[in-house]
Amino acid sequence: SQQGEEDPQALSIQEGENATMNCSYKTSINNLQWYRQNSGRGLVHLILIRSNEREKHSGRLRVTLDTSKKSSSLLITASRAADTASYFCATGDQGAQKLVFGQGTRLTINP
Amino acid sequence: ETGVTQSPTHLIKTRGQQVTLRCSSQSGHNTVSWYQQALGQGPQFIFQYYREEENGRGNFPPRFSGLQFPNYSSELNVNALELDDSALYLCASSLGGSVYSGNTIYFGEGSWLTVV
Repeated sequence: SQQGEEDPQALSIQEGENATMNCSYKTSINNLQWYRQNSGRGLVHLILIRSNEREKHSGRLRVTLDTSKKSSSLLITASRAADTASYFCATGDQGAQKLVFGQGTRLTINP
Repeated sequence: ETGVTQSPTHLIKTRGQQVTLRCSSQSGHNTVSWYQQALGQGPQFIFQYYREEENGRGNFPPRFSGLQFPNYSSELNVNALELDDSALYLCASSLGGSVYSGNTIYFGEGSWLTVV
């Protein structure tokens, strides 16, 4: 079963605009991670935010976490065509050694 | 470039056949996990191996099995293939620890399996 649910499922914006993706999860977490996947390829780890953090930055990425609402958002600023990909949030399952992924947001940046 | 390599990249099998997918972990990583990703879906955890022992399994039937070798490379075997097994199979490696505590895992590029 999916832990996270990303919203929107698909997002199309113009190059240079900001892109915001949201993720909701169901159980308590220790951390939440965001991954990127280019079409049909492997997952690349982008950023991890711990449950005691509210915001984290990495380059053009900004992640927020609201544990009271069980939600996180990923903001990509000044988007580029190369940012076109699917983005997934994932949480670590406490009982089993696994990541639980949402269904992802497909982001398209139009030049 | 994550240092995790998978083979083959693409393959086509017939329903009922068996398939073996291979993965070489990033150097020094003793933990490998496998995920199945159907088209348009997020990855689903199949199982994980730590120092050659299976130490976690997702909701997959026994016809999905695996091995981890002393050099920490790994295989995923699927018997009696079904059409629904068509997916991208991702291998991921890490240096032990718990993903719950924030241990970073590194994914390979995946193996595309098509069952016809």
